[in-house]
Amino acid sequence: SAVISQKPSRDICQRGTSLTIQCQVDSQVTMMFWYRQQPGQSLTLIATANQGSEATYESGFVIDKFPISRPNLTFSTLTVSNMSPEDSSIYLCSVSDRTMNTEAFFGQGTRLTVV
Amino acid sequence: GEDVEQSLFLSVREGDSSVINCTYTDSSSTYLYWYKQEPGAGLQLLTYIFSNMDMKQDQRLTVLLNKKDKHLSLRIADTQTGDSAIYFCAETLGYSSASKIIFGSGTRLSIRP
Repeated sequence: SAVISQKPSRDICQRGTSLTIQCQVDSQVTMMFWYRQQPGQSLTLIATANQGSEATYESGFVIDKFPISRPNLTFSTLTVSNMSPEDSSIYLCSVSDRTMNTEAFFGQGTRLTVV
Repeated sequence: GEDVEQSLFLSVREGDSSVINCTYTDSSSTYLYWYKQEPGAGLQLLTYIFSNMDMKQDQRLTVLLNKKDKHLSLRIADTQTGDSAIYFCAETLGYSSASKIIFGSGTRLSIRP
């Protein structure tokens, strides 16, 4: 299994500001995914982070609001831009496992509160 | 369309078995997963089953898959207080590492003495 580290683990931010969340994996992985979990809800995929190309966004999520970087096979960042209280959520990074291809492991998440 | 459904709550007595059920709509599922989320924590992959299997056992956990009815269940034997958590059923469509995971709403398991 892959070991995934996310930073920060939690943050409280002022509305209108931006926060960049980092996801570091201990091994090279093909695909990295960013999810949002709103309070009391299930997980919703934001985008798939591709190394060397632009991220692929799901319906309802746009690059201007959630820019993503994937500079190499072990690292990705998600930025939550121009935050509002509705962005208060847990943001989780996940990776696929190279041996299983579709098995997915998750980081501990970043708990974001926007005030 | 892609849809995964679970009941929201389950309460069991300590020492009894817990059975958490899940239904899905897409017959092209390849892997089906069970994740555990404890309060304030991320998601822990508990177990998974490949779509051509009908049962998988791992210590106290038994996963049953009825592909005809598109029904997945997770049985936890001898349920303990440490099993209190939200359990998410999820599926992957396709075989590539780019395949995304579709999550159910989660079942909150509570243990009573």
